[in-house]
Amino acid sequence: EPEVTQTPSHQVTQMGQEVILRCVPISNHLYFYWYRQILGQKVEFLVSFYNNEISEKSEIFDDQFSVERPDGSNFTLKIRSTKLEDSAMYFCASTLQGNYGYTFGSGTRLTVV
Amino acid sequence: SQQGEEDPQALSIQEGENATMNCSYKTSINNLQWYRQNSGRGLVHLILIRSNEREKHSGRLRVTLDTSKKSSSLLITASRAADTASYFCATDEAGSARQLTFGSGTQLTVLP
Repeated sequence: EPEVTQTPSHQVTQMGQEVILRCVPISNHLYFYWYRQILGQKVEFLVSFYNNEISEKSEIFDDQFSVERPDGSNFTLKIRSTKLEDSAMYFCASTLQGNYGYTFGSGTRLTVV
Repeated sequence: SQQGEEDPQALSIQEGENATMNCSYKTSINNLQWYRQNSGRGLVHLILIRSNEREKHSGRLRVTLDTSKKSSSLLITASRAADTASYFCATDEAGSARQLTFGSGTQLTVLP
């Protein structure tokens, strides 16, 4: 069964450093997402991406965040200057179209120290 | 309550029993989805029910949707120890760019 692949599985970074989280969505999917889950809290929407542009973003997704789909297969989330409160599990997801379930990756656990 | 709130927060049952989890939401939706998450792992899509559907089955899973009450239920029949996980409902809100709003989840423990 097709999978969404995320790398790395765990990243530790110093506060203020830039991080790039990588995702390879399912190849024929059209909609791509990033979500995050702070430990013990709800899964929160960050950003959706369709047709090579951001279609919607949440309040969390401020100027420190950016997304790219540089080569038609990878989908990246960049955090420019990490803060302690960015520590969370970050999930990438993709879906073919509306009214289809999403396929989530296994997540990247980001720890900012 | 917030969009996509599940109850109970925690449920503990014996293997072989049925488990029922409920979800309430506030806005109009395109569909409602249920996901499962094992501790510290990714989210696994279980089932999607569209706003014009009332009931859906998939294996041992049965989902109902009542749009007039803005509520859904997930029934897992003949539970197994391997069903132990957190279960989340997520709503695909009408008018959104297909983003999902997740609830807080129900932690299901199935005792062998």
